This record gives sequence, structure tokens and C-alpha cells, in this order.
Amino acid sequence: GQQVMQIPQYQHVQEGEDFTTYCNSSTTLSNIQWYKQRPGGHPVFLIQLVKSGEVKKQKRLTFQFGEAKKNSSLHITATQTTDVGTYFCAGQAAGNKLTFGGGTRVLVKP
Amino acid sequence: SAVISQKPSRDICQRGTSLTIQCQVDSQVTMMFWYRQQPGQSLTLIATANQGSEATYESGFVIDKFPISRPNLTFSTLTVSNMSPEDSSIYLCSVAGLKSQYFGPGTRLLVL
Repeated sequence: GQQVMQIPQYQHVQEGEDFTTYCNSSTTLSNIQWYKQRPGGHPVFLIQLVKSGEVKKQKRLTFQFGEAKKNSSLHITATQTTDVGTYFCAGQAAGNKLTFGGGTRVLVKP
Repeated sequence: SAVISQKPSRDICQRGTSLTIQCQVDSQVTMMFWYRQQPGQSLTLIATANQGSEATYESGFVIDKFPISRPNLTFSTLTVSNMSPEDSSIYLCSVAGLKSQYFGPGTRLLVL
């Protein structure tokens, strides 16, 4: 079945630094979605990418969908303490359910 | 977007007992899902709750252990039956929007 892998599993970042989390699917996707889960909270939708090579920005967050529609990345610039949480990618193949990656747990050192 | 509530928000249960979790959505939705999130882990889909028919279960999950009801387009229940400590987890209700899924606040279950 479809598998979605995410790296790194943990990311310790100094406040103000940049980092990137990567997501890879075993199958070609129709779309990929990103969610953020704050400690003690539930996953909250961030963005959906649909087109091959698509790049979308939300303030300090840049999301990219690979040309082959099998991988994606999330890049955060100038990390702030509010960025703490777990970032999940979730891939959807045509007509299939959403499959979540393992998540990247982000800790920010002030 | 959809606003989702879940009851109970948390519970501590004895092994061998059952717990029913309720999920209420503020609007009618076609697709409703139940997920499990074990401590420090990702989300695993248990089943899709279908209105008017039996739920569709994912591999590794069975109806006898996780019976689901979906009496209408705004409500669903998940029962965790004959619980063991391995069932300690967060159970999340979710609904599908046009471009994303919306999640309820979750039910934190501890089985002793």
C-alpha cells in the first residue's frame, strides 16, 4: 500500500535559523497536504499542493511539490518559538484515502 | 471550514471495559473518519464512517473491536471495545473538506 516517509523525525532549531522537512511517497500523488499539530492539540491544515513543481508560500513557510509528484518539502525561515509543534505531510493518490507521514517534531531553542 | 466537537475529551478506563466516543459536526458532511494517534506517533486511519451503511475499516482494524455508528450526516460514534493498555491513545474524528481534512480536538484515552 501507499507509504509516506518524512525526515527528519526530530528537528532542534535555534530561534532565528531556517530548517526544512522532507516528505517522500512510495506512489505518485494527486495532491499533498501539510498539517501542523501543536503540543496537546490536534492537526490543523496548513496547505494543499496539487500541481507538479508547485511552490506556495505562507509568510515564513515555503511549501514545494516535486516534479514527479512523489515528494514535497516545507521550509521555514527565521524560526520562532510559535513554530514549535509537529509538522505532518499527508499524501493522497487519486480516489484514495489520505496517508500521513510520520511527522517532524520541531523544538525551538530561544 | 467545519467545527468538530468530541466527547469525552479524555478518560481513564479499566481493561476489559468499553468506551464510546462521540463526534459532532456543525454542518452536514459526507466523509467522516476516525483516526488513532498513539503517543508521539503519526495518525493512523481506523475507518471511514459511512452514513446509512457499515463503516469501511482499514487493515488491522475490525468492527468487533471498533464498532462505528453514523446515524446522520453530522454525527458519529466510535466504540473501543474490550480495552487493553495497548488501546491507550488519542482518538480523532475528522471530516473531509474541499481541499483538506478538519480534525476534532481528540479523545485522550488511558487504559489501566
